[in-house]
Amino acid sequence: GDSVTQMEGPVTLSEEAFLTINCTYTATGYPSLFWYVQYPGEGLQLLLKATKADDKGSNKGFEATYRKETTSFHLEKGSVQVSDSAVYFCALSDWDYKLSFGAGTTVTVRA
Amino acid sequence: DGGITQSPKYLFRKEGQNVTLSCEQNLNHDAMYWYRQDPGQGLRLIYYSQIVNDFQKGDIAEGYSVSREKKESFPLTVTSAQKNPTAFYLCASRPQGAEAFFGQGTRLTVV
Repeated sequence: GDSVTQMEGPVTLSEEAFLTINCTYTATGYPSLFWYVQYPGEGLQLLLKATKADDKGSNKGFEATYRKETTSFHLEKGSVQVSDSAVYFCALSDWDYKLSFGAGTTVTVRA
Repeated sequence: DGGITQSPKYLFRKEGQNVTLSCEQNLNHDAMYWYRQDPGQGLRLIYYSQIVNDFQKGDIAEGYSVSREKKESFPLTVTSAQKNPTAFYLCASRPQGAEAFFGQGTRLTVV
């Protein structure tokens, strides 16, 4: 079945550092890929998405490119801020209604 | 405003008691989901529903029950058969193939 594997954390960075969170997937079809962010005590919010190969999703300085050849959707941000401290989830949906999530990566940014 | 609403935000359950968590959406989405999140853990799927009067078990359905009598509503009952119910519960909805929208979550604690 479909699955998502993402880099384990926690990840601790200094402000203005470069952030990368790796995400790879297994799917039988042509899934849509998502990155969600969760702040403490809250639900998940969509950060960005890509629906087909070579699409690049971007939002709030974060980017991720849908790479079909490597089945990857790595999240990157060039210069993180303290406010980026959160848990990040990679997810995919295939042709049906199922959603598959990675285990989540906790990111802490220190001033 | 359109959105997905979970209530209550905090819920306390006594041993042997059933409790029901509410989830309502006014986004006209077909699919709705319930996830469980334990501290430092990812999301685990409890139940999902693609259409009114139909739902499927997820990975950890034992000790939980749901109903989908209306498109807008997908309540989750945590029964006394669930031996370790303390967790953060997240409800989501989505149209087919698109991103999911999450509620703010309900934190359930056994007292």
